[in-house]
Amino acid sequence: IAGITQAPTSQILAAGRRMTLRCTQDMRHNAMYWYRQDLGLGLRLIHYSNTAGTTGKGEVPDGYSVSRANTDDFPLTLASAVPSQTSVYFCASSDSSHPRSTDTQYFGPGTRLTVL
Amino acid sequence: TQLLEQSPQFLSIQEGENLTVYCNSSSVFSSLQWYRQEPGEGPVLLVTVVTGGEVKKLKRLTFQFGDARKDSSLHITAAQPGDTGLYLCAGGAVGSSNTGKLIFGQGTTLQVKP
Repeated sequence: IAGITQAPTSQILAAGRRMTLRCTQDMRHNAMYWYRQDLGLGLRLIHYSNTAGTTGKGEVPDGYSVSRANTDDFPLTLASAVPSQTSVYFCASSDSSHPRSTDTQYFGPGTRLTVL
Repeated sequence: TQLLEQSPQFLSIQEGENLTVYCNSSSVFSSLQWYRQEPGEGPVLLVTVVTGGEVKKLKRLTFQFGDARKDSSLHITAAQPGDTGLYLCAGGAVGSSNTGKLIFGQGTTLQVKP
């Protein structure tokens, strides 16, 4: 069982370019999340999806969009990348038909993105 | 906006020493989780506490949720080099308990030297 896979592992991107970070899980979990991790700031929630077909905004959604066309995939798109979006991005999922803050979230290995 | 402040941010100790990491807020949280993250990997859940005053033990790790559900602590007894990593607390905001939305502290980097 792979769990959660993220691609690419790392990427260097010119400012203004469009970029999609991929996240796929094989656990059939209903809920999925995107976080960014910055030194000294911990993890901050960007967007989440409680079930396929629905998405919601987290703490820091500006400049990012997501879609949830099916249960397994939850791509994160940067429409026009800026240097402040340089970060490590983590995708996570949890197994609950009614997501709760007490659920275990399972994290992928992360994507390290540098915007120049 | 609910915030979680962790202290200390960095801790370097010798093998066998005890340590405590704190996670504090001025706000009440519906639940509190502790995660551990190793370099190049995603965080992994250690424990979830939901009741004020709750204490949970995981081998040499003891987790406590404050009576008022505004703070939590992680105590490690006789630390081992394998305990080295980034420790993150994460709270479920009151009013968001029916979602999976978490607020994370900034993390405590622990280094245990042999």
